[in-house]
Amino acid sequence: QKEVEQDPGPLSVPEGAIVSLNCTYSNSAFQYFMWYRQYSRKGPELLMYTYSSGNKEDGRFTAQVDKSSKYISLFIRDSQPSDSATYLCAMSAAGGSQGNLIFGKGTKLSVKP
Amino acid sequence: DGGITQSPKYLFRKEGQNVTLSCEQNLNHDAMYWYRQDPGQGLRLIYYSQIVNDFQKGDIAEGYSVSREKKESFPLTVTSAQKNPTAFYLCASGYGSYEQYFGPGTRLTVT
Repeated sequence: QKEVEQDPGPLSVPEGAIVSLNCTYSNSAFQYFMWYRQYSRKGPELLMYTYSSGNKEDGRFTAQVDKSSKYISLFIRDSQPSDSATYLCAMSAAGGSQGNLIFGKGTKLSVKP
Repeated sequence: DGGITQSPKYLFRKEGQNVTLSCEQNLNHDAMYWYRQDPGQGLRLIYYSQIVNDFQKGDIAEGYSVSREKKESFPLTVTSAQKNPTAFYLCASGYGSYEQYFGPGTRLTVT
């Protein structure tokens, strides 16, 4: 079993839809959870950063962490064509190799006008 | 402007040649990282450095080398020993709070 699993998609939705992106993981030591957005041929951009369990909201984006299920989600409300990108989840354990992130392979999202 | 710069954006080399990719940051981050991204493979860690003059191998360090002589700079050399060097290379930096910020990337093509 891979440490982080993420459905590669592609996921296609109409403009204005609510998008749900998800990752599962196997390492119960993970405590830091991140979502990155990557446009084609660009570097990933940090969208959301969450420590431990719970929800975090930033504008149209909401990140959720359920450590009991080892499941994290990113919700995008009122999706726009400019949200079309690949979304990467990433996570890290406390201690050990500090700051080393384990990435999912990314979900490609397309928002159609 | 604060940020991470990588140069060049595109790089072409002949097989058997070493090539050095540049990464500079002015964010005052202690930690810097190099990743390789291939289609369908996700991001894989090559090398990382938590402080100046110290660096550690990541998951796929074979055929690569790095140096960290200054806090702002973390160049990556792709040597001729790297069997499949064509890829998108990403540099990142962070405070060590587990957030990492990425540069724009260098696309290396070796023929």
